[in-house]
Amino acid sequence: TQLLEQSPQFLSIQEGENLTVYCNSSSVFSSLQWYRQEPGEGPVLLVTVVTGGEVKKLKRLTFQFGDARKDSSLHITAAQPGDTGLYLCAGALQGAQKLVFGQGTRLTINP
Amino acid sequence: DAGVIQSPRHEVTEMGQEVTLRCKPISGHNSLFWYRQTMMRGLELLIYFNNNVPIDDSGMPEDRFSAKMPNASFSTLKIQPSEPRDSAVYFCASSFDGSDGLYGYTFGSGTRLTVV
Repeated sequence: TQLLEQSPQFLSIQEGENLTVYCNSSSVFSSLQWYRQEPGEGPVLLVTVVTGGEVKKLKRLTFQFGDARKDSSLHITAAQPGDTGLYLCAGALQGAQKLVFGQGTRLTINP
Repeated sequence: DAGVIQSPRHEVTEMGQEVTLRCKPISGHNSLFWYRQTMMRGLELLIYFNNNVPIDDSGMPEDRFSAKMPNASFSTLKIQPSEPRDSAVYFCASSFDGSDGLYGYTFGSGTRLTVV
């Protein structure tokens, strides 16, 4: 059983469409991070959210941390082929020195 | 900074052989993590070090796996003897663990291990 459940696991859409990826848990996290991984490379940090209800924007990407700090979402507006990759959420439990990773959402944007 | 450096990038070995994976973390980072990634199980934490001391090795599959961090700039993950089910991509990541919480991880490019 995954501590962090991501949905959907796979998503394939056309260029220009919008999409939302979800990261859910029954546990409370002190912070939550989103990473993107491209083939043959390690995950790269996109954003860290710390406060319940926090919203951060990174160009066409919008990240939100749930009010109860148990869940998060990533919304992409007008998706582009360059957004293709594996998106991973990772949470830090209270007092923990390590992150727990979700299983990832594999996103494909078709031209 | 060159980032987290892992070597080798690819390793193909025969079952029963010893395999050693190497990692150089980012200078100034005080935490180092070894992960294994497969399609079936995703990213699994094997072991992590803080200030060169192993903190949690509960993810190490079995006694065939061992990890060391002799100094702040170098770590190894050894598999002896290797088995086909060890085939995966192994990532090393480093971060700075400050009093104000966890910072993001910087991952290396990984070592793709194939055991035949």
